[in-house]
Amino acid sequence: DAEITQSPRHKITETGRQVTLACHQTWNHNNMFWYRQDLGHGLRLIHYSYGVQDTNKGEVSDGYSVSRSNTEDLPLTLESAASSQTSVYFCASSESRSNSPLHFGNGTRLTVT
Amino acid sequence: AQSVTQPDIHITVSEGASLELRCNYSYGATPYLFWYVQSPGQGLQLLLKYFSGDTLVQGIKGFEAEFKRSQSSFNLRKPSVHWSDAAEYFCASAGYSTLTFGKGTMLLVSP
Repeated sequence: DAEITQSPRHKITETGRQVTLACHQTWNHNNMFWYRQDLGHGLRLIHYSYGVQDTNKGEVSDGYSVSRSNTEDLPLTLESAASSQTSVYFCASSESRSNSPLHFGNGTRLTVT
Repeated sequence: AQSVTQPDIHITVSEGASLELRCNYSYGATPYLFWYVQSPGQGLQLLLKYFSGDTLVQGIKGFEAEFKRSQSSFNLRKPSVHWSDAAEYFCASAGYSTLTFGKGTMLLVSP
């Protein structure tokens, strides 16, 4: 079965370090998204991509970057981790733009100390 | 800019009782509307979606939702709640571009 896999599931890092969260999907979807989930804020969009070599900023993109070199992967990089980036991160993918439902990974819990 | 409001942060329902979770959206045209459910430690799973046509849509796990344009609402309902329905529920809308999520409603089910 097709799936979307995030790794690691849990990560603890120190302030100032660079961290990369992996996302791999086997749906062959063009669209991929990164969200962060925080209490009281719901899910907020960080970055998204509509295809290879395409990346776009979302609502809370400062301090994050993504690259899309193939269809399957959209890694999320925190350039210099900050305590405010402690959160649960979800990757998602979909077939097309607005009207296709998202398929979510199980999330990565990141703690920045 | 589009927005989604879920007025209830927490709701407690007795097992077997009916459920209604509220969702209001703000968007100029008719948006695409979704309800997702999140169990602890999991990603979000799609319950149902509305694009056009019949305003009452059926989803998985016995859920349904009704689109009311006049009220800008898309409320989620279930006639009889089971303990396994305890989870967080998210309403979302999509206009031209990406999805916008509400902040979620946590459903607690009491025995």
